[in-house]
This record gives sequence, C-alpha cells and structure tokens, in this order.
Amino acid sequence: NAGVTQTPKFQVLKTGQSMTLQCAQDMNHEYMSWYRQDPGMGLRLIHYSVGAGITDQGEVPNGYNVSRSTTEDFPLRLLSAAPSQTSVYFCASSSGTSGGKQYFGPGTRLTVT
Amino acid sequence: AQSVTQLDSHVSVSEGTPVLLRCNYSSSYSPSLFWYVQHPNKGLQLLLKYTSAATLVKGINGFEAEFKKSETSFHLTKPSAHMSDAAEYFCVVSDYSDMRFGAGTRLTVKP
Repeated sequence: NAGVTQTPKFQVLKTGQSMTLQCAQDMNHEYMSWYRQDPGMGLRLIHYSVGAGITDQGEVPNGYNVSRSTTEDFPLRLLSAAPSQTSVYFCASSSGTSGGKQYFGPGTRLTVT
Repeated sequence: AQSVTQLDSHVSVSEGTPVLLRCNYSSSYSPSLFWYVQHPNKGLQLLLKYTSAATLVKGINGFEAEFKKSETSFHLTKPSAHMSDAAEYFCVVSDYSDMRFGAGTRLTVKP
C-alpha cells in the first residue's frame, strides 16, 4: 500500500492564482481530511469528508473548496490564492471517523507571493 | 466546540531524565484523545490514543499518557528521554467528525 499520497510536494503561486492540491489513499478509508500547519498554531482542520459525496467544513474553510467523487481521492482547491494561505498542507485518512487513527500524507509546502 | 491547550510551547530536558508534556482539553462529548509526534521535515506519526478504555494509555517508544477527566488533562510522559525524542508533539481532541490540534510542544533533548 502506498498509504496517503499528496502532490505536489512544493508549490509557489502568485496572488490570485488558483490551483488544486491532490490527495489520494489506497486503504479504502471513508474518512479524509485536509489540514494546514502554521508555526505556533498546530494543525487546523480545513475540510473533511466522511465518505464519497459527503463533505463538510472544518475550522478554517474560507478560500478552499473540496469534493469527494471517489473514496480514494480528496482534492483541495484554492480558488484565488492569498499570501495568508502560505502554509504546509496535510491530507489525512482513517478507516472510521476522526476517532480512529489517522494516516497523514507527507505534506505540500505552498508559498503564495 | 472542543479545544486543546498545550501548556508549554517548548520543553527542554537532558538525556536520561523524565519527559512531561502537558495537555488540557475541552469537549462537550466523551472525546477521543491522541498524541502525535512530528520529527523535523517529516509527517505526523501517532504515538498513542485514548478512546474511553483504560485511563493510562501506553504508546510507542516508551511514551504513555494518563486521561484525567476531573482535570480535563491528557499529559504525555516518558521515564527517560533519548536524543531521538527531539521533535514536535501535538495533543489532539476528537469527537465524531472534528479533530482539533494543540499548538504543539517542541521537545529539545540535551546530551
């Protein structure tokens, strides 16, 4: 199993550009989520999904969209990038709800100039 | 809403001495609680989790944590620190659909 994969590993955007961060898992997990990690703030939940076709907002959803058309994939879209979205983004999945062990991807380091 | 407070942003210990990383939580439900570790430039790894079974939870690498409902605490301990324990540690509280991370505690281990 590859586990949770994320692409790209690094990305630089200009303000106003849009892009999609990809996340995939091959463990048939129902629960998937996106976090951003900023210094001194830990990880904050952006969006999550409890199964294909079902998504919901987390703690910091503004400026981000998600969709879940398949169990495997959970892309995160930045609609119009802003410098405040400079961060490291982690995707995670788990077999149950968020009460189960989460498996994290390696992260995407995004810089918005 | 639930939340987590890690009481120390940075803890420094000498190799071979005990480690204590403190975590308090707030939750309306009976929460699940976790500790994750992140080594420099690495992803997150689960150390241990509490899900309403035994209040003393043993994890990997000699770490353990005790759930104290009366104190709403879930402190992480290890009897003897190793150099390889130097990392950032995150306390996490979770209900059915929402996970909240603490701000993290950076552990430094001095030789």
